[in-house]
Amino acid sequence: EIVLTQSPATLSLSPGERATLSCRASQSVSSYLAWYQQKPGQAPRLLIYDASNRATGIPARFSGSGSGTDFTLTISSLEPEDFAVYYCQQRSNWPPRWTFGQGTKVEIK
Amino acid sequence: EVQLVESGGGLVQPGGSLRLSCAASGFTFSSYWMSWVRQAPGKGLEWVANIKQDGSEKYYVDSVKGRFTISRDNAKNSLYLQMNSLRAEDTAVYYCARTRIAAADLWGQGTLVTVSS
Repeated sequence: EIVLTQSPATLSLSPGERATLSCRASQSVSSYLAWYQQKPGQAPRLLIYDASNRATGIPARFSGSGSGTDFTLTISSLEPEDFAVYYCQQRSNWPPRWTFGQGTKVEIK
Repeated sequence: EVQLVESGGGLVQPGGSLRLSCAASGFTFSSYWMSWVRQAPGKGLEWVANIKQDGSEKYYVDSVKGRFTISRDNAKNSLYLQMNSLRAEDTAVYYCARTRIAAADLWGQGTLVTVSS
């Protein structure tokens, strides 16, 4: 089973700052890596799929990069609505099972 | 409107059963893989199961294999999760999600399942 490790667990930043979130896989996941945002009491929302493609309606300040085992979600300039928990998720090639990282909380400093 | 609406959650005793439903609307349900993902109170996300468009392939996380069954009825635009032999550790909000390639691009609002005596 592929394990995803996200770091840091908590990121304390101010609006307007740049956020860099990391997701490391225990083995190569090709490009099947997605990022989600979740706010309290809400369902997750897809931000990035296939490592670097923004989902429909996602602002350009969100970007994803990486391949193999190391992936990054970058928020170029934090807006007040961006303070939330972020999860990475991978799909193994076969069988097509998923795993999620444990999450990174982006909080207001 | 494109949406997923879960139902069927509730309080159940350990060892009991529950069937969750997810009603899809606003898109061609039969064209998509579908998934169930759960979230225990205060915890992260955990993938539970996937099902192919025609129901011919199903995959489960190890912890629910043999206890949970994912199914779908494309004529009714509905996804299901039959949960048997429930345990306290199955307590969670269960989300259904439309699956695009290797990610979930549309989520329901979730339904809470509580396993307790």
